[in-house]
Amino acid sequence: QLQLQESVPGLVKPSETLSLTCTVSGGSISNSGCSWGWIRQPPGKGLEWIGSIYYTGSTYYQNPSLRSRVTMSVDTSKNQFSLNITSVTAADTAVYYCARDPPIIPWDYWGQGALVTVSS
Amino acid sequence: EIVLTQSPGTLSLSPREKATLSCRASQSVTSSRLAWYQQKPGQAPRLLIYGASTRATGIPDRFNGSGSGADFSLTISTLEPEDFAVYYCQQYGRSPETFGQGTKVEVK
Repeated sequence: QLQLQESVPGLVKPSETLSLTCTVSGGSISNSGCSWGWIRQPPGKGLEWIGSIYYTGSTYYQNPSLRSRVTMSVDTSKNQFSLNITSVTAADTAVYYCARDPPIIPWDYWGQGALVTVSS
Repeated sequence: EIVLTQSPGTLSLSPREKATLSCRASQSVTSSRLAWYQQKPGQAPRLLIYGASTRATGIPDRFNGSGSGADFSLTISTLEPEDFAVYYCQQYGRSPETFGQGTKVEVK
């Protein structure tokens, strides 16, 4: 059974960089032909797609609303993929989910979510 | 970007009743790439329906998706106690992918 687990940075200060890693177990990140990505959910609110990266790391897509503050990467040797968001503000406080994005089928496997709070 | 509007915001029903949730897009959804997710408190969303009408693996047949173009719906034929949750629609046919604001199905 495929499992995804986000790292938990917890508290990040305003203007700093939020960094999250998702570790995939129960399957190889590079054998799947899938993209992998991130979705977030501010407390008590709805879901927002952040972006997706192909398993080769060659291409990725990000939500324009984040205005190029996002970078993503894949480390197939560790079976992990990562998210960085620079210059964070309180508006970036959310539960961050990593998830698998296979061809045709949308987000089918999710991590349990990691709460990131931006506060000084 | 495609804006998805879900209605109603809250649906108050009793177990064994039928639930009908609506999702309307601001423009046509490419190739019916419309999905539905269920989310319970403290849990990650769970994929129920993709391609507007295809049930994901392991999803009971009381969950049915329909629609095309810009109008979609999710029907739960007979509500079970575990079905009370928040439901989100999502379009994944055009970047940026977008979600509706959610419909909460609560116990009446």
